[in-house]
Amino acid sequence: EIVVTQSPATLSLSPGERATLTCRASQSVRNHLAWYQHKPGQAPRLLIYDATDRATGVSARFSGSGFGTDFTLTISSLEPEDVAVYYCQQRSIWPPHTFGQGTKLEIK
Amino acid sequence: QVYLVESGGGVVQPGRSLRLSCSVSGFTFSDYAFQWVRQAPGKGLECVAVISHDGINKRYTDSVRGRSTISRDNYKNTLYLEVGSLTHEDTAVYYCARGGDDNGDYGGLDYWGQGTLVTVSS
Repeated sequence: EIVVTQSPATLSLSPGERATLTCRASQSVRNHLAWYQHKPGQAPRLLIYDATDRATGVSARFSGSGFGTDFTLTISSLEPEDVAVYYCQQRSIWPPHTFGQGTKLEIK
Repeated sequence: QVYLVESGGGVVQPGRSLRLSCSVSGFTFSDYAFQWVRQAPGKGLECVAVISHDGINKRYTDSVRGRSTISRDNYKNTLYLEVGSLTHEDTAVYYCARGGDDNGDYGGLDYWGQGTLVTVSS
């Protein structure tokens, strides 16, 4: 099973700042990595797929990068509505399509 | 409008079985693979099972393999997950989600239901 590790566990930033979330896979997943935003009481929302492609309707403030084992989700200018837990998921090898443990984003 | 609506959750005793359903509308159901993803209280997301668009290819995570069955009815536009021999570790919100290629690999899970809560308790 591929282990996916996210850092940091919690990120606290001010509105307008840039957020950088990282995700590392225990073996190469090529570009088969997705990012999701999960707010309490809501369904997770796909932000990025294939490591760099924004899902339909996702703000251009969200961008993804990386290949192989190391990936980054960047939120260019934080807004209060970005408060959520962000998960990465490798979608290359089953079993299973493992998620990272999540990064909780807080706005100061 | 795309809708995925889960049902079938509730309180169930340890050792019993439960069948979850996910009713889908707004797109051609048979064109897509689906997954069940769960979230235990205070925990992260966990993929449970995936089924191909035609229902032929089914895969499970280790923790449910051998006691769970994922299935679909492409005429009723409905996805199912049956989990047997339930334990407290199966307590979670269960989501159905669409995505990936024909077998459910690659890409991302682009549509999700709101989830159904399963509580395993005596």
